Amino acid sequence: AQKVTQAQTEISVVEKEDVTLDCVYETRDTTYYLFWYKQPPSGELVFLIRRNSFDEQNEISGRYSWNFQKSTSSFNFTITASQVVDSAVYFCALLNYGGSQGNLIFGKGTKLSVKP
Amino acid sequence: DTGVSQNPRHKITKRGQNVTFRCDPISEHNRLYWYRQTLGQGPEFLTYFQNEAQLEKSRLLSDRFSAERPKGSFSTLEIQRTEQGDSAMYLCASSFRRGAQETQYFGPGTRLLVL
Repeated sequence: AQKVTQAQTEISVVEKEDVTLDCVYETRDTTYYLFWYKQPPSGELVFLIRRNSFDEQNEISGRYSWNFQKSTSSFNFTITASQVVDSAVYFCALLNYGGSQGNLIFGKGTKLSVKP
Repeated sequence: DTGVSQNPRHKITKRGQNVTFRCDPISEHNRLYWYRQTLGQGPEFLTYFQNEAQLEKSRLLSDRFSAERPKGSFSTLEIQRTEQGDSAMYLCASSFRRGAQETQYFGPGTRLLVL
């Protein structure tokens, strides 16, 4: 079975704090992709990052960084020096490749509130 | 490039009525996906197209739901005889699949309320 678990339902931090959003996934496939999307109050899902199962290098993009560990099936997302504009729901998603399939399997999301 | 667009953004209807949503993907994207998102949940896959062919349907897609993508361009999602349980955000995404590389880009969604 394929599954994505985001155990943190809501997180509240004060501006400039660092925050880590957890993501744990389950899959039997050896080839898969992991994603993070941001959903601000407007509702549109905004793509943040894609990582394939063969690349365990951590990635940093500005204040965002991602830690991918196959040994623990985790793909955690850290925001450094959080800002009010980071307030949103963040979704982790898994994409398996089998035949022609390509649908994303999402976690339930983590709502991040950054207070000034 | 313009992003994925969806119309209408909001729809209120009475139970039993039919509704149709439209999605215009990013130009030259060969794949188009429909997802449904209810409050407090992540999006759930409904169906997807590669060009004009509908390749997969989820068990969530009951007989009252139908989707089309004529000529592999825009897509429509129709819900017949709406029920209150159909109230949700309907999201469309498009992508260009090349080998194993694919990233889905989402539209703003259509929020449906069935009274």
